[in-house]
Amino acid sequence: NAGVTQTPKFQVLKTGQSMTLQCAQDMNHEYMSWYRQDPGMGLRLIHYSVGAGITDQGEVPNGYNVSRSTTEDFPLRLLSAAPSQTSVYFCASRRDRVSGNTIYFGEGSWLTVV
Amino acid sequence: GENVEQHPSTLSVQEGDSAVIKCTYSDSASNYFPWYKQELGKRPQLIIDIRSNVGEKKDQRIAVTLNKTAKHFSLHITETQPEDSAVYFCGEGGSGTYKYIFGTGTRLKVLA
Repeated sequence: NAGVTQTPKFQVLKTGQSMTLQCAQDMNHEYMSWYRQDPGMGLRLIHYSVGAGITDQGEVPNGYNVSRSTTEDFPLRLLSAAPSQTSVYFCASRRDRVSGNTIYFGEGSWLTVV
Repeated sequence: GENVEQHPSTLSVQEGDSAVIKCTYSDSASNYFPWYKQELGKRPQLIIDIRSNVGEKKDQRIAVTLNKTAKHFSLHITETQPEDSAVYFCGEGGSGTYKYIFGTGTRLKVLA
């Protein structure tokens, strides 16, 4: 198993551009989520999904959209990039919505908005 | 809403000494508390976790203790080694929500 795979690893965007961060998992996990990591702020939840066709907002959802058309994929869309969205983004998955299951992170995507 | 406070934000210890990182949570329904280690430029990886029906769990040099009454849990690393240098995150998950919330992280430096 490849686990959780994110692309791209590095990206530079101009303010106002849009882009999609891709995330795929091959573990047949029901639950997938996106976090952003900023210095001193830890890992903050952006959006999550408890199954195909179901998504919900986390702590910091503004400026981001998600969809979950398949169990495997959970893309994160930046609609109009802003410098405040410069961050490291981690996709994560776990087996199901039950609390107590290990969450597995992807390798991260470093995004810079200029 | 859910909140996890983590202290200290940075911690320096001499090699061989112990390190303790503490987290405090607010949601009394929380029942799962993982600890993640993140090396520079890498993804966070689970090192130990504890469920609310257990007060302490140990795995070699790493242990986690949970005090449900006080709503805090701690990571203990004994006999620290340079390779323990990393950022450590605590997390909490509740039976009433689907979300894991993480603390702000502790940067541990083990000085040789």
